[in-house]
Amino acid sequence: EVQLVESGGGLVQPGGSLRLSCAASGFTFSRCDMNWVRQAPGKGLEWVSYISSTGSTVYYADSVKGRFTISRDNAKNAVYLQMNSLRAEDTAVYYCARVWAVEYYFDYWGQGNLVTVSS
Amino acid sequence: QSALTQPRSVSGSPGQSVTISCTGTSSDVGAFDYVSWYQQHPGKAPKLMIYDVSKRPSGVPDRFSASKSGNTASLTISGLQAEDEADYYCCSYAGSYTYVFGTGTKVTVL
Repeated sequence: EVQLVESGGGLVQPGGSLRLSCAASGFTFSRCDMNWVRQAPGKGLEWVSYISSTGSTVYYADSVKGRFTISRDNAKNAVYLQMNSLRAEDTAVYYCARVWAVEYYFDYWGQGNLVTVSS
Repeated sequence: QSALTQPRSVSGSPGQSVTISCTGTSSDVGAFDYVSWYQQHPGKAPKLMIYDVSKRPSGVPDRFSASKSGNTASLTISGLQAEDEADYYCCSYAGSYTYVFGTGTKVTVL
């Protein structure tokens, strides 16, 4: 069974940092591209970041570019999102989502992890 | 990138059909046949319902169908059921491994 489990969220002050983790199981993790997608309270979904299966290619939404860093450890079946210089508008539930092989859709999602940026 | 445009809400009685539109641009919806649709119930993670414009993953009822014309994609739910009441989001590949989601549509079963 495919499982994606996020962790690391919580309350952080504006300007602070947080690192989200997503633990994967039930599939060959090294064959999948991974993404982070977020959803502000009561709002829609927003794509945040992409990392290729090998970790060699990454992309970011303009809203987080220069502040967030995506990475992965295929030996640990995990993907990470390092979030720096956090702002109130980064408050959201963050989901990790899988893209299998050379597809272009998110077929499995984690349960989500809430990040709250507030003083 | 700007979010794709969806109607805020649609509604229908059980058994009826509803259609949700998703309007993008020639740089996203119009450029690629990689539109997907997600269903999200309150407090839950999104669930893939349609991929590659009109393909259904295993386990998704054939009541769900979708298409695309130009810069606009559409999702149709036929034979509406109570469990279909949820938020629905379209998503388009936008090149260079980036994606753009729609604004979301709340489907209400009357």
